[in-house]
Amino acid sequence: LAKTTQPISMDSYEGQEVNITCSHNNIATNDYITWYQQFPSQGPRFIIQGYKTKVTNEVASLFIPADRKSSTLSLPRVSLSDTAVYYCLVGDGRNYGQNFVFGPGTRLSVLP
Amino acid sequence: SAVISQKPSRDICQRGTSLTIQCQVDSQVTMMFWYRQQPGQSLTLIATANQGSEATYESGFVIDKFPISRPNLTFSTLTVSNMSPEDSSIYLCSVESAGETQYFGPGTRLLVL
Repeated sequence: LAKTTQPISMDSYEGQEVNITCSHNNIATNDYITWYQQFPSQGPRFIIQGYKTKVTNEVASLFIPADRKSSTLSLPRVSLSDTAVYYCLVGDGRNYGQNFVFGPGTRLSVLP
Repeated sequence: SAVISQKPSRDICQRGTSLTIQCQVDSQVTMMFWYRQQPGQSLTLIATANQGSEATYESGFVIDKFPISRPNLTFSTLTVSNMSPEDSSIYLCSVESAGETQYFGPGTRLLVL
């Protein structure tokens, strides 16, 4: 069961790029890395997922080094609406729910 | 991505009563899960809802307290039984879709007095 470590909180200003790093030293070969965003009173929303190297979609990029012991979620040019809690998860789809353990997440505050 | 709805969106209940929460998905999915999120905390997996068989519960959660039904591939219910104020929480269902990804419902906010 991979355990993740993230900063508890981060502050940023509108228009800046935000990078949130997650450590997962005991990630297993079959584990994927997934990031979720959660606003107050809403369910977590899928942002991005990757296995290795770099993944980019319309909202974020995910950087994963060769050893896969960490990953970095990059949010370009954040706005006030990006204020939320961001969760990093690692897990193996074969034992899906049991391996997808949510850590405390990173509370991102975007300031004007 | 799957579209997930939950009913009710919120409720206020008296201690000792039970509440059944419904989760509906707009497409057939193999895996459905139930989570609890206590105020200001992260999410904790309660159980995996298995279609056609008993749910698989995580450590600390039991069937008598949280009975789960999964009659088909698009629907599940979670019942919170004999409620106490400690059960006040947000309850979320999620589904596996598109491979290794979970998608979450909007949650049910429960307050037990």
